[in-house]
Amino acid sequence: GNSVTQMEGPVTLSEEAFLTINCTYTATGYPSLFWYVQYPGEGLQLLLKATKADDKGSNKGFEATYRKETTSFHLEKGSVQVSDSAVYFCALSPFHSGGYQKVTFGIGTKLQVIP
Amino acid sequence: DGGITQSPKYLFRKEGQNVTLSCEQNLNHDAMYWYRQDPGQGLRLIYYSQIVNDFQKGDIAEGYSVSREKKESFPLTVTSAQKNPTAFYLCASSQGQGVTEAFFGQGTRLTVV
Repeated sequence: GNSVTQMEGPVTLSEEAFLTINCTYTATGYPSLFWYVQYPGEGLQLLLKATKADDKGSNKGFEATYRKETTSFHLEKGSVQVSDSAVYFCALSPFHSGGYQKVTFGIGTKLQVIP
Repeated sequence: DGGITQSPKYLFRKEGQNVTLSCEQNLNHDAMYWYRQDPGQGLRLIYYSQIVNDFQKGDIAEGYSVSREKKESFPLTVTSAQKNPTAFYLCASSQGQGVTEAFFGQGTRLTVV
């Protein structure tokens, strides 16, 4: 079956540090890949996505590149802020021409940014 | 503003009682989902619905029930058969028909006392 692997954390960084959160996946075919962010006490928000190999998703200074050869979708940001403190979920959705496509989520990585 | 609304934000239940969590969306989405979130386990799918009057079990449906009488609404009932109901519950919706970008509600934290 499909699976997503990411570290649980917490990842603790100082403000303005470089961020990498690793995500690797197992799936057949060409899934779509997502990063969601969850702020304390809230639901998840889509941060960025990529739908085919070598696509780069980007939003709010965050980036992730769909690497089929390494089955990875690592999240990066050049300079984190305290407001980036949240839990980050990597997710995949298998390719399907229509109908329900089950989204598989990783366990979430907690990021703590200290001033 | 369009969005998805869950209520209440916090809910307390005594053991042996059923409780219903509300989820409403005004995004005109066909598909709706219920997830359970526990520390260290990510999100697990409870039920999903692709169309009105139809729904399917997810990975952990035992002890839960849903209905989809209206496109906008997808309430979740946590029954007394659910052995460990204390968790954070998230409702989501998507356009369906191959579009999987999901929009989430703010969540309901259920505590059994």
